[in-house]
Amino acid sequence: DTGVSQNPRHKITKRGQNVTFRCDPISEHNRLYWYRQTLGQGPEFLTYFQNEAQLEKSRLLSDRFSAERPKGSFSTLEIQRTEQGDSAMYLCASSSAPGLGYNEQFFGPGTRLTVL
Amino acid sequence: AQSVTQPDIHITVSEGASLELRCNYSYGATPYLFWYVQSPGQGLQLLLKYFSGDTLVQGIKGFEAEFKRSQSSFNLRKPSVHWSDAAEYFCAVGPFLGGNKLTFGTGTQLKVEL
Repeated sequence: DTGVSQNPRHKITKRGQNVTFRCDPISEHNRLYWYRQTLGQGPEFLTYFQNEAQLEKSRLLSDRFSAERPKGSFSTLEIQRTEQGDSAMYLCASSSAPGLGYNEQFFGPGTRLTVL
Repeated sequence: AQSVTQPDIHITVSEGASLELRCNYSYGATPYLFWYVQSPGQGLQLLLKYFSGDTLVQGIKGFEAEFKRSQSSFNLRKPSVHWSDAAEYFCAVGPFLGGNKLTFGTGTQLKVEL
């Protein structure tokens, strides 16, 4: 399977704990995006990388959140001191970098986080 | 700021009936418009997209959408719904240049009655 993969698929944690999610994009894609989807809502943009550079961060990404893409391949999203409001589906997507225009974002299955 | 409105949270149709899902957008320039489908346990799958040109675009699984600039709408249609179409559908808008983040609507949950 050469699609976007995310691990773990589910994570249950207690409030105050740290969690880390991993995303493996499609291998030839140099752009990687993170979105968050809460119940009854559409996905909301969090951040994106081009290669290893983090080019944009949403205001939703508080200082408890950090994302990395150290070698321009896989990415990790860490949440420190989790809160119940962090419970959501965290989606990763990848695309090739567009020239003029738009390249399709391919989404992974997501990591569902439950904070107790 | 860009935004997307999907006014119907839930829609139920009978199998074989036609379907129209509504989407209105607010964007300061020419947008890219998308429809995605999300099934339980699956990632978002792109159904179709509109960039420019013909305002009626065809997508996968027999879906089509029509861009109406005057109404700021991009409604999704299918002439005959199949039970396997039951899923959640999201309309999204992206910037014309750069192709970075997508802004999604809140989604429409489609139920298909047999």
